Amino acid sequence: AQSVTQLGSHVSVSEGALVLLRCNYSSSVPPYLFWYVQYPNQGLQLLLKYTSAATLVKGINGFEAEFKKSETSFHLTKPSAHMSDAAEYFCAVSNNFNKFYFGSGTKLNVKP
Amino acid sequence: DAGVTQSPTHLIKTRGQHVTLRCSPISGHKSVSWYQQVLGQGPQFIFQYYEKEERGRGNFPDRFSARQFPNYSSELNVNALLLGDSALYLCASSLVLSQGSSYGYTFGSGTRLTVV
Repeated sequence: AQSVTQLGSHVSVSEGALVLLRCNYSSSVPPYLFWYVQYPNQGLQLLLKYTSAATLVKGINGFEAEFKKSETSFHLTKPSAHMSDAAEYFCAVSNNFNKFYFGSGTKLNVKP
Repeated sequence: DAGVTQSPTHLIKTRGQHVTLRCSPISGHKSVSWYQQVLGQGPQFIFQYYEKEERGRGNFPDRFSARQFPNYSSELNVNALLLGDSALYLCASSLVLSQGSSYGYTFGSGTRLTVV
C-alpha cells in the first residue's frame, strides 16, 4: 500500500525566504515520488520527480527535493521565495507511474 | 502543441442526473487517467485506460464509468449524481504505460462539476 502525508496544510513565508514543504511517504516497494503545483482554477503542473537516480532532484522554477529513504521523506525546498510561488503544492507517490497517490496538499502563501 | 484538453470547463447538474466529461490527450499519448479532486483534498485516482482498455480502477462506486476511443480521447460518465460528486475532475495523459517509464503524466485543467 502507498500513501503520502504532507505536514502543514498552510505554509506562509516572506518573499526571499526559504521555502520548505514537507512530504513523507509510505510504500511497500521502491517508490517514484513527485511534486506537483496547482494554481487557482488550474490543473496540476509537474515540478519534479524522483525515479531512483540521483537522490537530490532539481525541478522547474528553482525548486528541488531530496529523497531520504531512511526518513521516508521527499521534502520540497526553494532557497528564495517569489510572490509567483504562491499556490498549492501536492506530493505524490507511485510504484509504476500509472497510479498516483496524492497528499492532501500544502497551500503556500508568500508575503511581500 | 496542444496540451490535455478537457470539456466542459464548468458544469452544474442536479442530484440524480447523469454527466459526461470529455478529455483529449496530448497528440500521440495513448494512456489516459481520471482523477477526482474534492475541494480541500488531493486528487484521487478513478480510472486509467491504455489502448482503449481499462488498466486500473480506484475505489469508486459503479456509478462511475469511463471509456477510451480509437483516437485515444476519453469520456468519464457518472450516473445518479450525488452532492458528494461535486469536485474538480482531472484528466491526465501519458505517452506509454510501462513500469519504470521515465515519461510523466500531463494533467489537463479539469472540469469543475457542481451538483445541486
